[in-house]
This record gives sequence, structure tokens and C-alpha cells, in this order.
Amino acid sequence: AQSVAQPEDQVNVAEGNPLTVKCTYSVSGNPYLFWYVQYPNRGLQFLLKYITGDNLVKGSYGFEAEFNKSQTSFHLKKPSALVSDSALYFCAVRDDGDSWGKLQFGAGTQVVVTP
Amino acid sequence: NAGVTQTPKFRVLKTGQSMTLLCAQDMNHEYMYWYRQDPGMGLRLIHYSVGEGTTAKGEVPDGYNVSRLKKQNFLLGLESAAPSQTSVYFCASSYRQHNSPLHFGNGTRLTVT
Repeated sequence: AQSVAQPEDQVNVAEGNPLTVKCTYSVSGNPYLFWYVQYPNRGLQFLLKYITGDNLVKGSYGFEAEFNKSQTSFHLKKPSALVSDSALYFCAVRDDGDSWGKLQFGAGTQVVVTP
Repeated sequence: NAGVTQTPKFRVLKTGQSMTLLCAQDMNHEYMYWYRQDPGMGLRLIHYSVGEGTTAKGEVPDGYNVSRLKKQNFLLGLESAAPSQTSVYFCASSYRQHNSPLHFGNGTRLTVT
């Protein structure tokens, strides 16, 4: 069975500084990894995914994520955070060996960007 | 192209009442899902469907039923609401490929008193 851990409940960062949101995962087979963002009173929005290939994946709104197989991590990054990046971020994983592809979500990390 | 639409947006029920949450998608997605979101617990899968006429249980199916009579619609029913079902409910849909991201609706906030 797959699992996802987001070790930080909240990340605080000043506007203009680099932002990192951590995620580690566990799967039996190969992982398909996703990041989603949730703004208040809205559904989750897809940011980016890793399927195969380059370990550095670029996504929406200037976000990127680095896949590290040896550390089973998929950390989300942004070089220069904006106040508008304040939101709840979810990491999710699918096991490519799963017959129907259940997506397992982490508990979420609240990002607060201060002016 | 509306994406995934959920109705209603808000609802208050009394214990023992029943209701149906509606989800519609216009992206011709094969898979549809119902999740609940509770503080500190992320999203938990209630039921899912891999195609019209088929449904299956997720992590937390007790107290809920679902139906998918048409490909574009996925209904979530609560037959006898309990306070433990107070939550925000999200519907999502995706293509069948495992690398396809989910598309979410904006949620239904349900309070059971």
C-alpha cells in the first residue's frame, strides 16, 4: 500500500524568499507523484506531476519539484515566493502497479507568505 | 467547459436526515471519486467509480452510498446523517491513465447537527 508524509503542518516564508514544501512517499512499485494546491473555499488544483524522466519537474505558477528516488522524496519548490502563494499544499502518490491507480494524499502543508 | 460541478455548496442536516450530493463533469472522464476533507487528515476516499454503472468502496465508505448511472454524473448519498459526517466533500474526476491528474469540484460543506 502506498503512503505519503508531509512532515510540516505549516511553512512560513517571507515574500521573495525561496519556498520549499517537503514530501516523502512509500510505494511497492514505481511512483507517480503529484502536487496540488488548495485556496480557501476551493477544490484542489493540479500543480505538477512526476511520471518518469527528468528528476526536476516544472509546473504551474513558477513551481517546480525534485524527485529523489534514493530518498523517496518529492519536494515542492519555488525560487521566490509571493503572498498569493499562501495556500494549502498537498502531495499525492499513485503506485504504477496498482490495478486501478488509487491516489494517496498527504495531510497537507499550510504555506504562509508574509509581505 | 465547466469542469467538475458540485451541488449544493452548503447544507445543514439534522441527525438522521438523508441527502444526496450531486457531481457532474463535462470532460468525458472515465474515473470519478468522492473524498471528504477533515482538518489535519488530508483527503480520504469514500467511494470511486471506474466507469458508468460501476462503483467501489474507498477508505471510509461506511454511512455513504453512491451511484453512477451516467458517465458524467456521480451521486453521493447519506441515508441517515450523523454528526461524524460533518465535513467538506469533494468530487473529482480523471482519465483512466494512472498518470492523469484529478480535477476537483469546489466542494460541499456539510454540517450535521
